[in-house]
Amino acid sequence: KNQVEQSPQSLIILEGKNCTLQCNYTVSPFSNLRWYKQDTGRGPVSLTIMTFSENTKSNGRYTATLDADTKQSSLHITASQLSDSASYICVVSPDVTTDSWGKLQFGAGTQVVVTP
Amino acid sequence: DAMVIQNPRYQVTQFGKPVTLSCSQTLNHNVMYWYQQKSSQAPKLLFHYYDKDFNNEADTPDNFQSRRPNTSFCFLDIRSPGLGDAAMYLCATSRDRRVNEQFFGPGTRLTVL
Repeated sequence: KNQVEQSPQSLIILEGKNCTLQCNYTVSPFSNLRWYKQDTGRGPVSLTIMTFSENTKSNGRYTATLDADTKQSSLHITASQLSDSASYICVVSPDVTTDSWGKLQFGAGTQVVVTP
Repeated sequence: DAMVIQNPRYQVTQFGKPVTLSCSQTLNHNVMYWYQQKSSQAPKLLFHYYDKDFNNEADTPDNFQSRRPNTSFCFLDIRSPGLGDAAMYLCATSRDRRVNEQFFGPGTRLTVL
C-alpha cells in the first residue's frame, strides 16, 4: 500500500479562484514533507519543504500546511493562474537516524487544470 | 546555472531494440537516481548510485541496467524494451543520501513501437 495518498486525483478550477490539495501519509517517523510541481513533460520542481516541527510554509501564491499529529498536509493555491496547470506531488522523506538511507515516498499527484 | 540535464528529451525505439538514456549534472552531487514514471502515477525508483556504489531496487527488472562512469554522468540502459517500458524516465540528484532534497531533470519520454 502506498504510504502517501493524495486527493483529489484531479480538479478543474477557473482562473483567479483558490483551491486546496490534500496529502495523507503513513510514513513514520518522517524527516520532512515536500510539495513538488510537475508541468506536463517536465521533471518535478520543489515548491515547499516542511519538517515535522513546522506547520505552514509559503512560496508566493502557494501555501503548504502540515499537521504531524494527524499526518496530513495540504497545498493551497491562491488566485490561480493558467501557469498553475500541472501535477502537484506530495513527497515524504523518512527519518534517517542511522547511516542507512530512507527512500522518498511519493504520492501519485493531483492534476490541476486552470481554465480561463 | 547548475542543473540536471537529460538527453534525449524524447526517445522512440522498437520493441526489443536496446536503448540508452543519458543524465548529466553540474551540481557535483554524490547521489544520482533513476525513476520510471507512468501516466498519472508516482515516480518509481529503479536504482541509485551513491558515488560509485550501485544500489538496485528489489523489484527493478533485470532488463534495466545503469552505468556511472564519473560523478557527472549516469546512464540508463534498457536491454530489450517492451511495450510496458514506455514511460517518462526521470533522473535526479542529491548531495548525499541523508540530505534527501532531490533535484530532478526534465525527463526523457520513451516510446516503444
